[in-house]
Amino acid sequence: DSGVTQTPKHLITATGQRVTLRCSPRSGDLSVYWYQQSLDQGLQFLIQYYNGEERAKGNILERFSAQQFPDLHSELNLSSLELGDSALYFCASSRPDLNTEAFFGQGTRLTVV
Amino acid sequence: AQSVAQPEDQVNVAEGNPLTVKCTYSVSGNPYLFWYVQYPNRGLQFLLKYITGDNLVKGSYGFEAEFNKSQTSFHLKKPSALVSDSALYFCAVREKGSGNTGKLIFGQGTTLQVKP
Repeated sequence: DSGVTQTPKHLITATGQRVTLRCSPRSGDLSVYWYQQSLDQGLQFLIQYYNGEERAKGNILERFSAQQFPDLHSELNLSSLELGDSALYFCASSRPDLNTEAFFGQGTRLTVV
Repeated sequence: AQSVAQPEDQVNVAEGNPLTVKCTYSVSGNPYLFWYVQYPNRGLQFLLKYITGDNLVKGSYGFEAEFNKSQTSFHLKKPSALVSDSALYFCAVREKGSGNTGKLIFGQGTTLQVKP
């Protein structure tokens, strides 16, 4: 158990819908990262938050947004969903040092039908 | 921009034989390098990291990795492979962002298949 909790584990929704993925980081970790894993794209970095503030943005679509709350949990919102958004979405957390590893949650498998 | 390359999509090895999963990197400054493993339908698990010091780094489950600065490589190794080592392996480099909060940049992953 990595200590990072993601809910839900699985999500099936229709095109055009909006979903929210939730992540609770490990106790004491201030940084939260979101990654998308699809078969043909590997692990793509989406966005990073540190102590409530956005710190880095990757190839995140405008239809996607995220936030980190005062209790440090984070949510990734995906809207106007398309078939191509079907993927595994991972959250990771880490302490604020470059020499520390990030710990990953089990992921949310999103299927858009 | 920092990047990581894993030149092999798949590595096949017989159980009991040594295994190597290759990784090369491109960074400016000192690299912070990591290996992760992903089993089917699971999240990524941290295996080991190189920050500084000894070029041979030991990690979980008997894995080790050799850092080679001149070749900009960080290959993952294990002296004797197990069938249970079969999984997807990712090499990653930590990008130095603001306030030491850099994200991990991953390679494309290498599937390790260990046959009995």
